[in-house]
Amino acid sequence: GAGVSQSPSNKVTEKGKDVELRCDPISGHTALYWYRQSLGQGLEFLIYFQGNSAPDKSGLPSDRFSAERTGGSVSTLTIQRTQQEDSAVYLCASSLVGGTYYEQYFGPGTRLTVT
Amino acid sequence: SQQGEEDPQALSIQEGENATMNCSYKTSINNLQWYRQNSGRGLVHLILIRSNEREKHSGRLRVTLDTSKKSSSLLITASRAADTASYFCATEGGGSNYKLTFGKGTLLTVNP
Repeated sequence: GAGVSQSPSNKVTEKGKDVELRCDPISGHTALYWYRQSLGQGLEFLIYFQGNSAPDKSGLPSDRFSAERTGGSVSTLTIQRTQQEDSAVYLCASSLVGGTYYEQYFGPGTRLTVT
Repeated sequence: SQQGEEDPQALSIQEGENATMNCSYKTSINNLQWYRQNSGRGLVHLILIRSNEREKHSGRLRVTLDTSKKSSSLLITASRAADTASYFCATEGGGSNYKLTFGKGTLLTVNP
């Protein structure tokens, strides 16, 4: 079946603009995760959704970052007033349920470049 | 913050040779997983080893886990050029039962 998809694959934006990144998880997966990969920080956890609620937002780096999930499916990560340090690859993953031993399936990522 | 540290940071071998990558971590874990990433995108899950397991095999992959030393190793036998990629260990645990904490990765290059 279809894997996790993300759009856009690449996004170039000017500093100060807002961006929205989209994630379509595998159908039937109730848990969804956002991670960020950058040269300086490696792979970092951002936020976890179980259904439409986000019990763990601890990885969001600032209040400029927000995410939502609707219908227990699609998720959108929004970055307001982008800064150059936001440049990174944003990865989304989903799993059947959230919990130990459930494999997380990753999407191809969105490469964000802030100029 | 990074939990795992892979060693070495980069490894270059010839096709047919074995490749060994190591990972160390700091806190207690539920499980440890290894992922492969090609061309800086798309992580692919390779293998998961639970905290009460010591060794696990999957095809040409062998993973060991030593919880007393807080370390793991990934062995790829009979390497192929297609194995060229970055390899990451990721731990789950430390109070969370879903959040993966990744190491910085080992860049493996397999020369034909």
